Amino acid sequence: QKEVEQNSGPLSVPEGAIASLNCTYSDRVSQSFFWYRQYSGKSPELIMSIYSNGDKEDGRFTAQLNKASQYVSLLIRDSQPSDSATYLCAAAVRDDKIIFGKGTRLHILP
Amino acid sequence: ETGVTQTPRHLVMGMTNKKSLKCEQHLGHNAMYWYKQSAKKPLELMFVYNFKEQTENNSVPSRFSPECPNSSHLFLHLHTLQPEDSALYLCASSQVVSGGGTQYFGPGTRLLVL
Repeated sequence: QKEVEQNSGPLSVPEGAIASLNCTYSDRVSQSFFWYRQYSGKSPELIMSIYSNGDKEDGRFTAQLNKASQYVSLLIRDSQPSDSATYLCAAAVRDDKIIFGKGTRLHILP
Repeated sequence: ETGVTQTPRHLVMGMTNKKSLKCEQHLGHNAMYWYKQSAKKPLELMFVYNFKEQTENNSVPSRFSPECPNSSHLFLHLHTLQPEDSALYLCASSQVVSGGGTQYFGPGTRLLVL
């Protein structure tokens, strides 16, 4: 059974601090990885995709991938209250299919 | 219209009703998906269509019947649903590329079965 594992949280982080979200995946052949943000009652929206080992930065967000350890992370710098949401990690297991983790609830404390 | 659209946005139906959910993508993608998300629960993949062909049916009960007439449109026909089918139904689309493409979601249809 191919899986993506995330800590469900909630993860509480003070405003202005760095939030660190982690994810592991089971399928060694996965090549594409994604982070989505989902506000309560809304649909998931893509934050970042990452395909190569190392770091990828986009504004306040940095995704990190370590294929040897089957580990993906998302760092959010200068956390804002508007970052409070559920963050979904996903891994592609087929050209037309990605599997999602159960999500980590992030709460930014004002 | 841009992105992925879904209609209706809200639906209330009785257990004996028949209704359909519609999804349309304007991104030129060739794969479309139906997901179910019950309250405070993770996403559940229901169906995958790749170039109009169904490539995944994740053990979905037959009271849910998908239809994909072309790569831009996806329907979910509903009949004799149960109260536990009340959920947010999300449509997504992606470009099928080697290694897996990004999925983009529509706003969802919030379904209540009475």
